[in-house]
This record gives sequence, C-alpha cells and structure tokens, in this order.
Amino acid sequence: QSALTQPASVSGSPGQSITISCTGTNSDVGGYTYVSWYQQHPGKAPKLMIYDVTNRPSGVPDRFSGSKSGNTASLTISGLQAEDEADYYCCSYTTSATPAYVFGTGTTVTVL
Amino acid sequence: EVQLVESGGELVQPGGSLRLSCAASGFTLSSYWMNWVRQAPGKGLEWLANINQDGNEKYNADSVKGRFIISRDNAKNSLYLQMSGLRVEDTAIYYCARDAYATGSSDYWGQGTLVTVSS
Repeated sequence: QSALTQPASVSGSPGQSITISCTGTNSDVGGYTYVSWYQQHPGKAPKLMIYDVTNRPSGVPDRFSGSKSGNTASLTISGLQAEDEADYYCCSYTTSATPAYVFGTGTTVTVL
Repeated sequence: EVQLVESGGELVQPGGSLRLSCAASGFTLSSYWMNWVRQAPGKGLEWLANINQDGNEKYNADSVKGRFIISRDNAKNSLYLQMSGLRVEDTAIYYCARDAYATGSSDYWGQGTLVTVSS
C-alpha cells in the first residue's frame, strides 16, 4: 500500500487559517469515509484530531475541521495558535491490497 | 483512565524474533478493534496490523505480511505483536492504539516501545 500524499510543510501566522491536503485514490480516500487525522508533537505519541472525515473527538478544539472532495481529504486549522506547531498525518482505509489502513507522508506545520 | 503500555522492545540481530506486548487498562479491551503502528527514526507513521474484538479477524500491511502476527488475550487485557525475520528497516518505535470507532481512528495510544534491529 503506497502512502497517501501530503505536502511536506505548511506554515502560517498566528490567527491565520491553513489547510493540509491528503491525496489518495478511489481505493482509499476517494472510496470511503474512513479518513482520520493525527497531530504529533516531537517525542510524543500521535493524537486523534479528526475521524471519519469530518468528526472531532471530544476535547479537540473546533478550530480543527476536516473535509473531503474526490480523492483528496483536507484538514483545516482556523485561528492558528503556537501550540498547533506539530506534524500532522492523515490515515485512510484502503482496499488497494488486502483491507488495511494507510497513513499519509506527514506535514510539518510551522507557526511563524 | 484509559492507558496503553507497550513493552518488549529491545536490540535484536537481523533475522531475529521479538514479541511486543501492550497492556490495556481503564476500558474493556474486548469491546474494541486494536491497531499496531510504527514510526522509524525521523520518519512518518506506518500502520502495521489490526485485530477485531474477539481476535478472529486480523489484517496486516503488505510490508510485514508473513513476518508479523497480531494477537490478543482479552482475559489478560493484553495485545501482542509477534515479529520474526526482523530486518534493519524494522527499526522503529512501535505503538499500540485503540480503534475508537472500528474505522481505523485510534483515539488512545501507548507511549511506544523501541525496537532496534542491528548486528
């Protein structure tokens, strides 16, 4: 299973909005609503931010939102804050081989 | 409080075997699918395997198929990853994670255990 494609880095100033894309195929992102997003700070375990494309777990700020169009899913962070600086990964169910999951390549978000 | 604690990671020679364990507490393990995910040093996340609630349905990533086996013992509140034929490229931090909604969305993760494959 090939990794989903994400931009290597995205940056923004505090208060701005940024969007991270996650591009796959119709065997993964485009074919299912099982896309999740994770935030990972250095040396820490990943944290679930969005599940099933658009849903936010309890405790995740509503500044984080998810969407999908065709084979591309997106994570938008509105009102960017310093603590949002981290690595972000998308993940999707895939049937390109045996039923499985595949992560994206990861995006480093920098708050300027 | 939900907790996942991995153990068993160590230095192993290429071709060797290792069994990782993940001790679960604070929730009913038998109610959830569970995942193993790894992260090589300085690299991204890689999904490895998952297992359903009673252990009779399992899936593996192609990269570890035939070498890694996921299993669970709900009575012992534990998840396992049996690894064999280890390669240098298997060097990584290995995480167990709870699949909150049975859709690959892991809401709780352990702190990870480091596996180093080197001669």
